[in-house]
Amino acid sequence: DAGVTQSPTHLIKTRGQQVTLRCSPKSGHDTVSWYQQALGQGPQFIFQYYEEEERQRGNFPDRFSGHQFPNYSSELNVNALLLGDSALYLCASSSLGALSYEQYFGPGTRLTVT
Amino acid sequence: EDQVTQSPEALRLQEGESSSLNCSYTVSGLRGLFWYRQDPGKGPEFLFTLYSAGEEKEKERLKATLTKKESFLHITAPKPEDSATYLCAVQGSRLTFGEGTQLTVNP
Repeated sequence: DAGVTQSPTHLIKTRGQQVTLRCSPKSGHDTVSWYQQALGQGPQFIFQYYEEEERQRGNFPDRFSGHQFPNYSSELNVNALLLGDSALYLCASSSLGALSYEQYFGPGTRLTVT
Repeated sequence: EDQVTQSPEALRLQEGESSSLNCSYTVSGLRGLFWYRQDPGKGPEFLFTLYSAGEEKEKERLKATLTKKESFLHITAPKPEDSATYLCAVQGSRLTFGEGTQLTVNP
Protein backbone atom coordinates (compact mmCIF):
# COMPACT_ATOMS: atom_id res chain seq x y z
CA ASP A 1 0.00 0.00 0.00
CA ALA A 2 1.71 3.17 -1.21
CA GLY A 3 1.82 6.01 1.22
CA VAL A 4 1.77 9.70 0.34
CA THR A 5 4.16 10.54 -2.48
CA GLN A 6 5.52 13.94 -3.49
CA SER A 7 7.55 15.21 -6.43
CA PRO A 8 10.07 16.53 -7.01
CA THR A 9 12.30 15.78 -4.03
CA HIS A 10 14.38 18.91 -4.40
CA LEU A 11 13.97 22.06 -6.43
CA ILE A 12 16.06 25.19 -6.92
CA LYS A 13 14.39 28.31 -8.31
CA THR A 14 15.25 31.97 -8.78
CA ARG A 15 13.38 34.88 -7.19
CA GLY A 16 10.37 35.88 -9.25
CA GLN A 17 9.91 32.47 -10.84
CA GLN A 18 6.94 30.16 -10.44
CA VAL A 19 6.95 26.59 -9.10
CA THR A 20 4.55 23.63 -9.07
CA LEU A 21 4.78 20.84 -6.52
CA ARG A 22 2.85 17.58 -6.78
CA CYS A 23 1.29 15.15 -4.31
CA SER A 24 -0.47 11.80 -4.51
CA PRO A 25 -2.45 10.84 -1.42
CA LYS A 26 -2.42 7.55 0.45
CA SER A 27 -4.74 4.95 -1.02
CA GLY A 28 -8.28 5.42 0.28
CA HIS A 29 -7.79 9.07 1.23
CA ASP A 30 -9.74 11.89 -0.42
CA THR A 31 -8.41 15.01 1.30
CA VAL A 32 -5.06 16.70 0.77
CA SER A 33 -3.49 19.40 2.95
CA TRP A 34 -0.33 21.38 2.25
CA TYR A 35 2.14 22.70 4.82
CA GLN A 36 5.24 24.86 4.75
CA GLN A 37 8.04 24.01 7.17
CA ALA A 38 10.91 26.43 7.61
CA LEU A 39 14.15 25.13 9.08
CA GLY A 40 13.85 24.49 12.81
CA GLN A 41 10.11 25.23 12.93
CA GLY A 42 6.91 23.25 12.95
CA PRO A 43 4.81 22.84 9.79
CA GLN A 44 2.49 25.77 8.96
CA PHE A 45 -0.88 25.06 7.34
CA ILE A 46 -1.26 26.49 3.83
CA PHE A 47 -4.59 25.04 2.62
CA GLN A 48 -6.69 21.91 2.32
CA TYR A 49 -8.48 20.42 -0.69
CA TYR A 50 -11.48 18.12 -0.79
CA GLU A 51 -13.68 17.26 -3.77
CA GLU A 52 -11.47 19.46 -5.96
CA GLU A 53 -12.22 22.57 -3.92
CA GLU A 54 -10.25 24.54 -1.34
CA ARG A 55 -11.91 23.87 2.01
CA GLN A 56 -9.70 25.89 4.30
CA ARG A 57 -6.79 28.28 4.01
CA GLY A 58 -4.09 29.38 6.40
CA ASN A 59 -2.39 32.77 6.56
CA PHE A 60 -0.62 32.60 3.22
CA PRO A 61 -0.80 35.17 0.39
CA ASP A 62 -2.61 34.60 -2.89
CA ARG A 63 0.74 33.76 -4.50
CA PHE A 64 0.10 30.31 -3.06
CA SER A 65 -2.59 28.43 -4.95
CA GLY A 66 -3.56 24.84 -5.42
CA HIS A 67 -5.58 22.34 -7.29
CA GLN A 68 -7.02 18.88 -6.67
CA PHE A 69 -7.73 16.45 -9.48
CA PRO A 70 -10.53 13.87 -9.77
CA ASN A 71 -8.09 11.11 -8.69
CA TYR A 72 -7.49 13.11 -5.44
CA SER A 73 -3.91 14.05 -6.33
CA SER A 74 -3.01 17.69 -5.79
CA GLU A 75 -0.69 20.47 -6.90
CA LEU A 76 0.69 23.44 -5.01
CA ASN A 77 1.65 26.47 -7.10
CA VAL A 78 3.71 29.38 -5.86
CA ASN A 79 4.07 32.49 -8.02
CA ALA A 80 6.59 35.33 -7.81
CA LEU A 81 8.93 33.38 -5.55
CA LEU A 82 10.63 35.18 -2.68
CA LEU A 83 13.75 34.15 -0.80
CA GLY A 84 11.52 33.55 2.23
CA ASP A 85 9.63 30.84 0.35
CA SER A 86 12.62 28.54 0.78
CA ALA A 87 11.34 25.68 2.93
CA LEU A 88 10.28 22.05 3.06
CA TYR A 89 6.80 21.74 1.55
CA LEU A 90 4.79 18.89 2.99
CA CYS A 91 1.66 17.24 1.68
CA ALA A 92 -0.60 15.29 4.02
CA SER A 93 -3.58 13.13 3.16
CA SER A 94 -6.59 12.08 5.20
CA SER A 95 -10.12 10.82 4.83
CA LEU A 96 -12.73 13.48 5.50
CA GLY A 97 -15.32 10.88 6.41
CA ALA A 98 -13.12 9.26 9.04
CA LEU A 99 -13.62 10.28 12.64
CA SER A 100 -9.92 10.13 13.47
CA TYR A 101 -8.72 13.36 11.76
CA GLU A 102 -5.37 11.61 11.32
CA GLN A 103 -3.17 13.04 8.59
CA TYR A 104 -0.33 11.12 6.98
CA PHE A 105 2.57 13.03 5.52
CA GLY A 106 4.70 12.58 2.44
CA PRO A 107 8.49 12.95 2.37
CA GLY A 108 8.29 16.61 1.33
CA THR A 109 9.77 18.76 -1.41
CA ARG A 110 12.76 20.89 -0.46
CA LEU A 111 12.45 24.24 -2.30
CA THR A 112 15.42 26.57 -2.40
CA VAL A 113 14.93 30.08 -3.81
CA THR A 114 18.10 31.94 -4.79
CA GLU B 1 -6.39 31.14 17.65
CA ASP B 2 -5.16 27.63 18.44
CA GLN B 3 -1.68 27.46 19.98
CA VAL B 4 0.78 24.66 20.76
CA THR B 5 3.94 25.10 22.83
CA GLN B 6 6.49 22.32 23.17
CA SER B 7 9.26 22.07 25.75
CA PRO B 8 12.12 21.70 25.98
CA GLU B 9 13.28 22.89 22.54
CA ALA B 10 16.15 20.40 22.68
CA LEU B 11 16.93 17.45 24.94
CA ARG B 12 20.08 15.41 25.13
CA LEU B 13 19.92 12.02 26.90
CA GLN B 14 22.24 9.13 27.52
CA GLU B 15 21.09 5.75 26.25
CA GLY B 16 18.76 4.25 28.86
CA GLU B 17 18.03 7.61 30.54
CA SER B 18 14.23 8.02 30.61
CA SER B 19 12.57 11.44 30.25
CA SER B 20 9.43 13.27 29.12
CA LEU B 21 8.56 15.84 26.47
CA ASN B 22 5.82 18.37 27.11
CA CYS B 23 3.14 19.80 24.82
CA SER B 24 0.89 22.57 26.15
CA TYR B 25 -2.06 23.62 24.05
CA THR B 26 -5.03 25.94 23.75
CA VAL B 27 -7.63 25.00 21.18
CA SER B 28 -11.24 25.76 20.46
CA GLY B 29 -12.93 22.40 20.28
CA LEU B 30 -10.23 19.73 20.49
CA ARG B 31 -10.85 16.98 17.94
CA GLY B 32 -7.57 15.20 18.57
CA LEU B 33 -3.98 15.64 19.69
CA PHE B 34 -1.27 14.03 17.60
CA TRP B 35 2.37 13.14 18.12
CA TYR B 36 4.70 12.81 15.14
CA ARG B 37 8.35 11.89 14.78
CA GLN B 38 10.40 13.72 12.15
CA ASP B 39 13.88 12.75 10.97
CA PRO B 40 16.05 15.45 9.32
CA GLY B 41 14.87 16.35 5.81
CA LYS B 42 11.92 13.95 5.92
CA GLY B 43 8.18 14.21 6.45
CA PRO B 44 6.60 13.72 9.88
CA GLU B 45 5.84 10.11 10.78
CA PHE B 46 2.58 9.52 12.64
CA LEU B 47 2.97 8.10 16.17
CA PHE B 48 -0.18 8.58 18.29
CA THR B 49 -3.64 10.11 18.42
CA LEU B 50 -5.24 11.10 21.74
CA TYR B 51 -8.82 12.31 21.98
CA SER B 52 -9.76 12.88 25.60
CA ALA B 53 -8.20 13.70 28.96
CA GLY B 54 -6.91 10.63 30.73
CA GLU B 55 -6.24 8.72 27.54
CA GLU B 56 -2.87 6.96 27.11
CA LYS B 57 -1.23 5.26 24.12
CA GLU B 58 1.96 3.17 24.03
CA LYS B 59 4.31 2.04 21.30
CA GLU B 60 7.60 0.34 22.12
CA ARG B 61 9.57 2.79 24.31
CA LEU B 62 7.09 5.66 23.84
CA LYS B 63 3.99 6.47 25.87
CA ALA B 64 1.73 9.46 25.24
CA THR B 65 -0.69 10.88 27.80
CA LEU B 66 -3.26 13.67 27.65
CA THR B 67 -4.77 16.12 30.13
CA LYS B 68 -7.13 19.03 29.45
CA LYS B 69 -4.24 21.43 28.89
CA GLU B 70 -1.19 19.38 27.98
CA SER B 71 0.21 16.15 26.69
CA PHE B 72 3.36 14.29 27.59
CA LEU B 73 5.48 11.96 25.52
CA HIS B 74 7.37 9.68 27.90
CA ILE B 75 10.46 7.92 26.56
CA THR B 76 11.57 4.92 28.57
CA ALA B 77 15.15 3.64 28.25
CA PRO B 78 15.77 5.44 24.95
CA LYS B 79 18.16 4.18 22.30
CA PRO B 80 20.25 6.22 19.81
CA GLU B 81 17.74 5.38 17.05
CA ASP B 82 15.10 7.35 18.99
CA SER B 83 17.01 10.54 18.12
CA ALA B 84 14.67 12.76 16.07
CA THR B 85 12.44 15.82 16.37
CA TYR B 86 9.12 15.06 18.04
CA LEU B 87 6.20 17.21 16.95
CA CYS B 88 2.91 17.74 18.76
CA ALA B 89 -0.18 18.96 16.87
CA VAL B 90 -3.79 19.69 17.80
CA GLN B 91 -6.81 19.38 15.55
CA GLY B 92 -9.26 22.19 16.08
CA SER B 93 -10.66 23.78 12.93
CA ARG B 94 -7.28 22.90 11.39
CA LEU B 95 -4.12 21.03 12.36
CA THR B 96 -1.79 23.31 14.37
CA PHE B 97 1.76 22.22 15.16
CA GLY B 98 4.22 23.14 17.85
CA GLU B 99 7.85 23.92 17.08
CA GLY B 100 9.01 20.47 18.14
CA THR B 101 11.51 19.01 20.59
CA GLN B 102 14.82 17.89 19.12
CA LEU B 103 15.86 14.74 20.98
CA THR B 104 19.40 13.39 20.87
CA VAL B 105 20.21 10.06 22.53
CA ASN B 106 23.91 9.38 22.98
CA PRO B 107 25.24 5.80 23.16
